[in-house]
Amino acid sequence: KAGVTQTPRYLIKTRGQQVTLSCSPISGHRSVSWYQQTPGQGLQFLFEYFSETQRNKGNFPGRFSGRQFSNSRSEMNVSTLELGDSALYLCASSLPDAEGRNEQFFGPGTRLTVL
Amino acid sequence: AQSVTQLDSHVSVSEGTPVLLRCNYSSSYSPSLFWYVQHPNKGLQLLLKYTSAATLVKGINGFEAEFKKSETSFHLTKPSAHMSDAAEYFCVVRTGGYNKLIFGAGTRLAVHP
Repeated sequence: KAGVTQTPRYLIKTRGQQVTLSCSPISGHRSVSWYQQTPGQGLQFLFEYFSETQRNKGNFPGRFSGRQFSNSRSEMNVSTLELGDSALYLCASSLPDAEGRNEQFFGPGTRLTVL
Repeated sequence: AQSVTQLDSHVSVSEGTPVLLRCNYSSSYSPSLFWYVQHPNKGLQLLLKYTSAATLVKGINGFEAEFKKSETSFHLTKPSAHMSDAAEYFCVVRTGGYNKLIFGAGTRLAVHP
C-alpha cells in the first residue's frame, strides 16, 4: 500500500507570493491533517479535513487555508508569504473513527523556503 | 488543555546501553499518547501508542513506554541502544476528539560507538 505522498518536496518562494501544497492520503483514509515544523516553534497543528470539511483548526492566521477533495486529496494554501513561513509542512492521514484514536501516517513533507 | 513536556532536549548514550526519554503530559481527558521518531530528512514514524488499554505499551524496534497516570508520565525506554536509533523523538498527545495532535518539543538522541 502506498504511503502518504506530498508534492512538491521542495519549494522556494519570495515574500508576498502565495503557495499551494498537495497531499495524497493513503488509500481509504478520509482524514487529512496538516502540520508546520520549524526549529523555533516545533511541530504545530494547522488544520484537519474529513469528508471535504474542515473539522479542526490550529492557531494560525487566515493566510493559511486548505481544502479537501472528494477523493480525499488535500491542498493547503499560504497567501502573502512571510519569511517566518519557511518550514517543513507535513501532511498526515488516518482512517476515521468516532473517538479519534486511529494512528496518523505522515508523509515526507514539503520544505518551503521563503526568501 | 492538553500539553506534553519532554524533559530533555538532548540525550546521549553509548551503543548497547539503555535509553530513557522522558515525557510528562497534561490532559483533561483520558489521553491518547504516542511516541513518534523522525530521522534526518524523513517523515515522522509512529513508534508506539497508548489508548487506554495496557499501561505498558510495546512498539517497534524494541521500544516500549509505560503510562503512569499518577505521575502523568509516558517515558520511552529501550534496553539496548543501536546506532540506527539516533534521531529525534517526539512525545505526542491527542486532544479529546478528532485528529489534532499536540507535539512535545522533541528529544534528540545521539548514540555513540
